[in-house]
Amino acid sequence: DTAVSQTPKYLVTQMGNDKSIKCEQNLGHDTMYWYKQDSKKFLKIMFSYNNKELIINETVPNRFSPKSPDKAHLNLHINSLELGDSAVYFCASSQESKGNTEAFFGQGTRLTVV
Amino acid sequence: GENVEQHPSTLSVQEGDSAVIKCTYSDSASNYFPWYKQELGKRPQLIIDIRSNVGEKKDQRIAVTLNKTAKHFSLHITETQPEDSAVYFCAVHTGANSKLTFGKGITLSVRP
Repeated sequence: DTAVSQTPKYLVTQMGNDKSIKCEQNLGHDTMYWYKQDSKKFLKIMFSYNNKELIINETVPNRFSPKSPDKAHLNLHINSLELGDSAVYFCASSQESKGNTEAFFGQGTRLTVV
Repeated sequence: GENVEQHPSTLSVQEGDSAVIKCTYSDSASNYFPWYKQELGKRPQLIIDIRSNVGEKKDQRIAVTLNKTAKHFSLHITETQPEDSAVYFCAVHTGANSKLTFGKGITLSVRP
């Protein structure tokens, strides 16, 4: 009955590989996000989707491609992984149509590129 | 875009003392101001929030105050306990583009 779940929890991969992280929310929320948390703990927004439509695309390399097949899912695909991509990636969701509500986070995916 | 500044970056207090963390923002259209707590290895979780039409909100040992004119809001924790030790993030919501922007976080250490 987890509200926001993402898989995998840990991901270790070599430079140059392509990997995906999946996120699902069962809260009925209309907005989903991807955040990157680096080693200094800074939470930086990468993407935001509202009802499957891309709303925010921060200055993220185009090796990162989000995909939202439906309102409950927002996956993140990363091509040609680099050492600097190592971080914890958090998925989150909120109900924007109700205005200014709490964002619920997934447990995070710790990506290590070697 | 929105610029959220959080200070100090680290804070150490004695158990039982109060802790205050301040956050400033730049976009006057911002209308929702949550505070998140992140324990080591865990996800960020909401602890308290305030909306732009309210000046203060309290929930047991924690409170948040908002000064819209000065564009800053603060988290107050009273009677701190060791389990309050964590990273605290302020965030600012701008409704126009469904964006929640986080401050850089502060590491709070409560010494027993």
